[in-house]
Amino acid sequence: DAGVIQSPRHEVTEMGQEVTLRCKPISGHNSLFWYRQTMMRGLELLIYFNNNVPIDDSGMPEDRFSAKMPNASFSTLKIQPSEPRDSAVYFCASTRDREGTEAFFGQGTRLTVV
Amino acid sequence: AQKVTQAQTEISVVEKEDVTLDCVYETRDTTYYLFWYKQPPSGELVFLIRRNSFDEQNEISGRYSWNFQKSTSSFNFTITASQVVDSAVYFCALSDNNAGNMLTFGGGTRLMVKP
Repeated sequence: DAGVIQSPRHEVTEMGQEVTLRCKPISGHNSLFWYRQTMMRGLELLIYFNNNVPIDDSGMPEDRFSAKMPNASFSTLKIQPSEPRDSAVYFCASTRDREGTEAFFGQGTRLTVV
Repeated sequence: AQKVTQAQTEISVVEKEDVTLDCVYETRDTTYYLFWYKQPPSGELVFLIRRNSFDEQNEISGRYSWNFQKSTSSFNFTITASQVVDSAVYFCALSDNNAGNMLTFGGGTRLMVKP
């Protein structure tokens, strides 16, 4: 199994630009999560999908953030327009559709907004 | 509301020492799940162990062991005979019942093992 695949690994963009982060979950996993890691706030959940449907987006910081999951094998997290405070590592994770099962994380996308 | 506290932000030990990383959690649910993840310098998050609230048995895996105590709401992690390769940030996390496997993470403990 290839694991959770995220792209790009690194992204540097200018303030005001649109940024799109991509994720391919593990095949057969029904749940997908986007987390953000910063020094100030640690690891925080942004949004959770189950069977491609957004279930909980209460962690999405602002309307500038949006996430989609058009099919079981692909999800995007978009920031438009980006701001320097969005600089962070963004992780995608997936789990099987069973309560209490462990999440497998991608390698993360390190986003720097200058 | 869920909360996970890792009071030790940074620990430094010399190789071959034993070290315990503390984790204290808060939840109102009677069914919940606890996890430990390792984040090495390369940055990925690696799953180490899962425990459900009904299983208080301690677990040992090689040099790693975990002590789950519901009475003190703690899920501590011990590394025996630490090695330089154990240097990483370790995260404790909690998922409530019906939370859909959403994780609440502690702030992490940075472990530095010196040769």
